[in-house]
Amino acid sequence: AQTVTQSQPEMSVQEAETVTLSCTYDTSESDYYLFWYKQPPSRQMILVIRQEAYKQQNATENRFSVNFQKAAKSFSLKISDSQLGDAAMYFCAYRSHQGGKLIFGQGTELSVKP
Amino acid sequence: DGGITQSPKYLFRKEGQNVTLSCEQNLNHDAMYWYRQDPGQGLRLIYYSQIVNDFQKGDIAEGYSVSREKKESFPLTVTSAQKNPTAFYLCASSTVRTQTTPEQFFGPGTRLTVL
Repeated sequence: AQTVTQSQPEMSVQEAETVTLSCTYDTSESDYYLFWYKQPPSRQMILVIRQEAYKQQNATENRFSVNFQKAAKSFSLKISDSQLGDAAMYFCAYRSHQGGKLIFGQGTELSVKP
Repeated sequence: DGGITQSPKYLFRKEGQNVTLSCEQNLNHDAMYWYRQDPGQGLRLIYYSQIVNDFQKGDIAEGYSVSREKKESFPLTVTSAQKNPTAFYLCASSTVRTQTTPEQFFGPGTRLTVL
């Protein structure tokens, strides 16, 4: 069975600085998808970024980028130029290429200091 | 606007009562999911459905039931058999063709509290 682990329950960053959130996963599959979701205080789950395992190039969405290390089964999220609105719970998630459920990590709560 | 709606936003249940949480989507997605979120934990899958009139148990299905009579709707019933139902419940939907759009889209959630 696949598992996702986020080892940082809480992180803090100064506004305008850069922060990296860690995620590791375990799977025997070769083809899959990885996601970072953001859950602000409203509790709405918002997709931040996704990575297809077959792509070697790391995904980027504006200030958000990932460092995908397939052999190490690592999928970290880098937030550049942090803003107050980035404060939220961040979840790493895995989905098989065949579809089905998302498997979530425990989450990392990010606070942004002005 | 396309999206997923959940109602009610807050729900209170007395011991021994069954309650039903509503989830509707107009994204034309075939697959729908129910997740439960507890403090300090990630989301856990309760039930999912990939086609009308068919659904499968997830990791924590005991004490819950679902139906999928319409593509747009996937209601979740929390029965009195669920020992600890106080939690935040999230509904999601997706296409089944993960090659094009593998992500799931989420509703705003329902907070259920047992009195």
